[in-house]
Amino acid sequence: EIVLTQSPGTLALSPGERATLSCWASQTVRKNSLAWYQQKPGQAPRLLIYAASTRATGIPDRFSGSGSGTDFTLTISRLQPEDFAVYYCQQYDTSPEWTFGQGTKVEVK
Amino acid sequence: QVQLVQSGAEVRKPGASVKVSCKASGSSFESYAIHWVRQAPGQTFEWMGWINAGNGNTYYSRKFQGRATVTMDQAAKTVYMELGSLRSEDTAVYYCARDLFLIPRDPWGQGTLVTVSS
Repeated sequence: EIVLTQSPGTLALSPGERATLSCWASQTVRKNSLAWYQQKPGQAPRLLIYAASTRATGIPDRFSGSGSGTDFTLTISRLQPEDFAVYYCQQYDTSPEWTFGQGTKVEVK
Repeated sequence: QVQLVQSGAEVRKPGASVKVSCKASGSSFESYAIHWVRQAPGQTFEWMGWINAGNGNTYYSRKFQGRATVTMDQAAKTVYMELGSLRSEDTAVYYCARDLFLIPRDPWGQGTLVTVSS
């Protein structure tokens, strides 16, 4: 099983600042089969990024993904008020079985 | 756009079973696969199982093998997940999600809260 570790657990930032979230895999994620999700309280997760760096339909370009192998990053270039949420990485290299990181909470400083 | 609509919240006693449905709208139902993922309160997501909507093949996490069953009614574009021998630790929001050609797709179902309590 590929274990995903996210860092930091909580990120306290102000609107307009840049957010950098990390996701490390316990083994190589082949074909960059990694996605990022945003989840707000009481809502289903929303797909932001797949294939490590491809934005999903309708996702603003302030969200970007990068990385390969075992190290991946989600960057939010300028935080908007609606971006404060919990973010999860997910690997689908071992499809159909998925695994998820434990999440990073982006909160208002 | 494909939408996934799940059945409503359920309350069950320990030892009982629950069956949650996920109805797809839109076209090309047979082209994708439906996953079941759950999220316990304050926790991350846990993958449970999967069904190929084209041929009905299923695959389960080892943790849920023998306790979870995923089925579908292709004509109704509906997938079901039944979980048996419920215990309090199964209290969670259960989501259905889809993939197309192994790539996860949005949106997920809205989630179904299953509460297991005596």
